[in-house]
Amino acid sequence: EAGVAQSPRYKIIEKRQSVAFWCNPISGHATLYWYQQILGQGPKLLIQFQNNGVVDDSQLPKDRFSAERLKGVDSTLKIQPAKLEDSAVYLCASRPPTGGSYYEQYFGPGTRLTVT
Amino acid sequence: GEDVEQSLFLSVREGDSSVINCTYTDSSSTYLYWYKQEPGAGLQLLTYIFSNMDMKQDQRLTVLLNKKDKHLSLRIADTQTGDSAIYFCAENPYSTLTFGKGTMLLVSP
Repeated sequence: EAGVAQSPRYKIIEKRQSVAFWCNPISGHATLYWYQQILGQGPKLLIQFQNNGVVDDSQLPKDRFSAERLKGVDSTLKIQPAKLEDSAVYLCASRPPTGGSYYEQYFGPGTRLTVT
Repeated sequence: GEDVEQSLFLSVREGDSSVINCTYTDSSSTYLYWYKQEPGAGLQLLTYIFSNMDMKQDQRLTVLLNKKDKHLSLRIADTQTGDSAIYFCAENPYSTLTFGKGTMLLVSP
């Protein structure tokens, strides 16, 4: 079974520029998450999708961050304009609909963003 | 304060046991998790425990849960250099996960 795919793996941009990240979850996983992991911290949830609908985006800085999952599969996370404090690893995770612990999440390798 | 707290660093010798501790706040969490993160990689689920259990053993891993004190621990027996990584404790008060800051485990030969 293929894991969660993310691209790019690394991105360096200047502040005020825009950037987009892509995530392809595990096939059949209806729930998709985006997390932000700042150096030295645990991952913090940005947004949760169930199919193509948003379940929780309470911690997403909506003035600059946006995310979509139009067909209920792939997802993109965008930052526009970027700030220095957005430097972090952006992790995508997906969750199976049933079985196991139900809340078990599978993580992609992440995209490391550096804003200069 | 943090919802999930962990000590930041642990150093052990190869072959010793490692114990990583965690305290959490939300008693409604159905499951509690331990994730491992190696440098440059995403998070890998190590093990989890259902909230009505006290202990779970999975090969070299033992998870102990004290619900009264909201304390979770992960014991790694016969620690190997390949176990060097950051270990995250996580609770799930809803359908999401709340992580601690992680404990860096360094295993020396």
